[in-house]
Amino acid sequence: EDQVTQSPEALRLQEGESSSLNCSYTVSGLRGLFWYRQDPGKGPEFLFTLYSAGEEKEKERLKATLTKKESFLHITAPKPEDSATYLCAVRISGTYKYIFGTGTRLKVLA
Amino acid sequence: GAGVSQSPSNKVTEKGKDVELRCDPISGHTALYWYRQSLGQGLEFLIYFQGNSAPDKSGLPSDRFSAERTGGSVSTLTIQRTQQEDSAVYLCASSPSQGAEDYGYTFGSGTRLTVV
Repeated sequence: EDQVTQSPEALRLQEGESSSLNCSYTVSGLRGLFWYRQDPGKGPEFLFTLYSAGEEKEKERLKATLTKKESFLHITAPKPEDSATYLCAVRISGTYKYIFGTGTRLKVLA
Repeated sequence: GAGVSQSPSNKVTEKGKDVELRCDPISGHTALYWYRQSLGQGLEFLIYFQGNSAPDKSGLPSDRFSAERTGGSVSTLTIQRTQQEDSAVYLCASSPSQGAEDYGYTFGSGTRLTVV
C-alpha cells in the first residue's frame, strides 16, 4: 500500500536552532515528491518538487533532499516566521493522484 | 484572479441538509482538484478534473458527494444529506496542466464545513 509518513508530528525550536523534518514513503513508483507549507486557516503553499534520489533544492533557510526511501526538509537558523505545518506529498507514477502525509507542526520561538 | 478562490470560507449546516462549495481556480489552469482535510489527518483526495476529460471521481467517499466543473473553470462540490463525519476543511487546488510538478498546486484557503 502506498504510504507517506512524516516525523516528528510536532517540533519546537529556538530561533537559530537548525533541525530537520522527515518524510518517509513507500510507493509502487515515485513520480515526484513535494513539500508544502501550511499556515493556520490557509491552504498549503508549494515549496519544492524533487524527482530522483540525490536531488536537492534550496529556498532561503530551507533545503530539501531526497533518497530512495525518504526526504528531509532541513531548516537552517530558523526564524519565528518559519512556524507552520510542513506537508510532504508524493505522486505515484502513472497516476495524477498525490498522497499527503499528516504534516509536521513547527514552532520557532523567539 | 490572482489565486484560487473558495466560497464560503465557513459553513455551518444542520445534519441532513445539502451544501454546495464553490471553487474559482486560477484563470488558464486546466487541472483542478478537491481535497478534504480533517483534524489530524492528511489531505484526502476527492476528485480531479483535467480540461474536458472525464473527471476522476475515485476519491469521493460516498454517493452523497458529487462535483462538477462548468466551462473548464468554476467547480462546485455538492454534499447531500450531510453527516457529522463530513465536517472538515474542503480544499480546492489548481495547476497549469496535468501533473505540473515543477509548480505544484496552488491551493485556495478552503471551506471549513461544520455539520451540527
